[in-house]
Amino acid sequence: GAVVSQHPSRVICKSGTSVKIECRSLDFQATTMFWYRQFPKQSLMLMATSNEGSKATYEQGVEKDKFLINHASLTLSTLTVTSAHPEDSSFYICSARDFLSSYEQYFGPGTRLTVT
Amino acid sequence: KQEVTQIPAALSVPEGENLVLNCSFTDSAIYNLQWFRQDPGKGLTSLLLIQSSQREQTSGRLNASLDKSSGRSTLYIAASQPGDSATYLCAVDRDDKIIFGKGTRLHILP
Repeated sequence: GAVVSQHPSRVICKSGTSVKIECRSLDFQATTMFWYRQFPKQSLMLMATSNEGSKATYEQGVEKDKFLINHASLTLSTLTVTSAHPEDSSFYICSARDFLSSYEQYFGPGTRLTVT
Repeated sequence: KQEVTQIPAALSVPEGENLVLNCSFTDSAIYNLQWFRQDPGKGLTSLLLIQSSQREQTSGRLNASLDKSSGRSTLYIAASQPGDSATYLCAVDRDDKIIFGKGTRLHILP
């Protein structure tokens, strides 16, 4: 099956710094990628949808200036958490969909962000 | 607005028992429904995906059913094992979005 990777798998940063998380589709072209956030013992919540070459669409309540999403190519999307604060500590998961061949979404393994 | 509900929120059963996890959704216009497994601190493992035109899917000891008209899906786990302990998430896919339920935390007692 299709594979989606995320890097890094785990990151610890100091409050006020920015962190970039990469999401790559390894064996298919992802026309659309999605970013989710999961707080402890809660379900995944969609943060934003990004289409290659266009601006991301953010869900209500997600600050676009804080969570910068770039989908510059058909295999790479990045999420940058700017000026991170401890409340941004969470598990971030991306998924990718290839509309050309399948309607299934493929999920990355997730990135654990801890802001100290 | 699509809402996905999973019942129960938590479940503990002795090893060897068969069990059913429930998922309901409010909008029946879905593309597919997917069941995932999530171990503590880990990402998602896709278990079964049911297309909107299908009624069930089976993989090993797992069987998932879908009744779109009533907005319900069940995940049946046969002969449960301690290794099945995890959180099971149901997710419906429509309008280019996947909406997740809050999950059922399953604990299989050895």
